Amino acid sequence: KAGVTQTPRYLIKTRGQQVTLSCSPISGHRSVSWYQQTPGQGLQFLFEYFSETQRNKGNFPGRFSGRQFSNSRSEMNVSTLELGDSALYLCASRGTGDYGYTFGSGTRLTVV
Amino acid sequence: AQTVTQSQPEMSVQEAETVTLSCTYDTSESDYYLFWYKQPPSRQMILVIRQEAYKQQNATENRFSVNFQKAAKSFSLKISDSQLGDAAMYFCAYRREGGATNKLIFGTGTLLAVQP
Repeated sequence: KAGVTQTPRYLIKTRGQQVTLSCSPISGHRSVSWYQQTPGQGLQFLFEYFSETQRNKGNFPGRFSGRQFSNSRSEMNVSTLELGDSALYLCASRGTGDYGYTFGSGTRLTVV
Repeated sequence: AQTVTQSQPEMSVQEAETVTLSCTYDTSESDYYLFWYKQPPSRQMILVIRQEAYKQQNATENRFSVNFQKAAKSFSLKISDSQLGDAAMYFCAYRREGGATNKLIFGTGTLLAVQP
C-alpha cells in the first residue's frame, strides 16, 4: 500500500510570506503528526491530529497551525515566515492499534 | 519531562562487522514504547525496530536487535553484519503509552558510517 505522501518536496519562500504543506497518510490511518527537523534543535513535535481534531500541540508559536480533513489528509500552515522556520517538516501517520509511526519523506522549506 | 539522550554523535563500522549505538532515556512512566529510526540522505525516517516497555524480551528484526534495560533506562541498537546501505543517521525515540500525549521524543541522533 502507498506510504505517507508529503507535498511539495522542496519549497523556497520569502520572509513574511505564508506557506501550506500537505500530508496524505497511509490509507486507513487516522492519526497524523507533524515534526520540525533542524540542525540546531533536532526533531521537535509540532502537533497531532486524529479524526479532524487536534489532540496535541508542541511548543511552537501561533504562526504554526494545522488541520485535518475528513479523508485524514492533513495540512500545516506557517504564517509570517521567519528565517528560523527553514527546516525539514516531517509528517507521520499511525493506524488504530498500532503504536509505531510511519513517516513521509518530508518537505524541505527554505526561507530567504 | 521525558528526555532521550544519544551520546555518540558519530560512529563508524567496517562492512560485515557489528556496531552498537547507545541510547538512554529518562521517564517516570512505567508504560511506554521505544523506537529506533533510520534516516538516510533521502530524508525519510524509516522504522528499524521497536520495543514495548512491558516486554522483557529484547526485540529483534533480522540483523537489528536491541538491548533493553528498563531499570537502567537504556535502549541500545546492535547492527550485525553491517552493510553499506546501513549508513545513515539513527534516531532513538520514546513515546508514552496512553494519556493525552502521543508525541515521539527523539534523541539527537548518531551518524553511522559504514566503511567498505
